[in-house]
Amino acid sequence: QVQLQESGPGLVKPSQTLSLTCAVSGGSITSTDYYWTWIRQLPGKGLEWIGYIYFPGGTYYNPSLDSRLTISLDTSNNQFSLSLTSLTAADTAVYFCTRCPRGYFGPGSMDVWGQGTTVTVSS
Amino acid sequence: DIQMTQSPSSLSASVGDRVTITCRASQGIRNDLAWYQQKPGKAPQRLIYAASTLQSGVPSRFSGSGSGTDFTLTISSLQPEDFATYYCLQHGTYPWTFGQGTKVEIK
Repeated sequence: QVQLQESGPGLVKPSQTLSLTCAVSGGSITSTDYYWTWIRQLPGKGLEWIGYIYFPGGTYYNPSLDSRLTISLDTSNNQFSLSLTSLTAADTAVYFCTRCPRGYFGPGSMDVWGQGTTVTVSS
Repeated sequence: DIQMTQSPSSLSASVGDRVTITCRASQGIRNDLAWYQQKPGKAPQRLIYAASTLQSGVPSRFSGSGSGTDFTLTISSLQPEDFATYYCLQHGTYPWTFGQGTKVEIK
């Protein structure tokens, strides 16, 4: 059974870059059956779709984050990563990595989630 | 962006009650809709996908319906473990968007 585990710094300063990694176990990120996705949950608020990547490296990002966002695959370590630049307090959130099965016309909805990692942007 | 209007934002119900939560999309999304349950401090868990398909392992008291713009999640007989927050997700049009959530509380 596939499991996802996020890792990264809990505290980042404003204007810096956030780097998060999602380790995948029990399955391969090179599978063409899945898209690997990041979601975040703002404090006390709802959920926001960040974007996804699929093997061998195609991506789709939320336009609201596109200019600051990079999602990449690390096939050697069976993990994928998120990089978000120019951080502000508005980026403070719990970040989840997830898996989306491939559907008929593209990715389906997220079926497996990591436990989430809290990121606080503060000086 | 497609707006997902979820209602109600909260509700109080008793064990055994039938509960209905609705999600309305600002544009048609075919059946590209999923429902998630989230408990405090935990990641969301998928209950329903493709609007009406029950996720493996999810109790049959959960059901989903709808297509196009109007969708419904129904819990036929609320159980103690169902008190949580529920979200809908549309993945028919980019960017994917969530409803604002429905918190189901004990009456």
